[in-house]
Amino acid sequence: IQLTQSPSSLSASVGDRVTITCRASQGISSYLAWYQQKPGKAPKLLIYAASTLQSGVPSRFSGSGSGTDFTLTISSLQPEDFATYYCQQLTAVTFGGGTKVEIK
Amino acid sequence: EVQLLESGGGLVQPGGSLRLSCAASGFTFSSYAMSWVRQAPGKGLEWVSAISGSGGSTYYADSVKGRFTISRDNSKNTLYLQMNSLRAEDTAVYYCAKSLKPWELLDAFDIWGQGTMVTVSS
Repeated sequence: IQLTQSPSSLSASVGDRVTITCRASQGISSYLAWYQQKPGKAPKLLIYAASTLQSGVPSRFSGSGSGTDFTLTISSLQPEDFATYYCQQLTAVTFGGGTKVEIK
Repeated sequence: EVQLLESGGGLVQPGGSLRLSCAASGFTFSSYAMSWVRQAPGKGLEWVSAISGSGGSTYYADSVKGRFTISRDNSKNTLYLQMNSLRAEDTAVYYCAKSLKPWELLDAFDIWGQGTMVTVSS
């Protein structure tokens, strides 16, 4: 199962609403997670089961979707949110290619 | 505090071997599946291998099948990755990661180690 993230990068300003898309090559129900990774650091789990917020993650992060199409939304981008985001499907454990969120 | 600490990375020649270790603390290690995930310099994440809590089930990415072996010692709360026949394309930071829910083999990873760098070069 292939995961395609889009866009591969984006530029946004603090306060913007940001949406990242992850598309699976076949249906994966809700077996999808989202991670944030900052340079030189390990990934951090944000969302699992497509829409469940991991404990301690700010509520400005949200996930939606099922089947083949999923989205990660950051409702109001904060300075600490500039990072690379990855989706992961859990039926066979593969990652999307990543989306780098940069400062405009 | 739940923690994972990798060790064992380094520089190795093509065709060589290396064993990575991941020491776990702060949770009931034997109840959780564990995985290795790698990241080549400047690239994305690639899942490498997973092992069930008991150690009885193991899974590998096609890219490492037959060359890498995952194992665990629940008495020592330690996960291992034996890497043989190493290639230049195995050069990466290797992370160990804990599954989110107990007894789930394929699951999201809620705890990650800091990573250990493996460089395969002559």
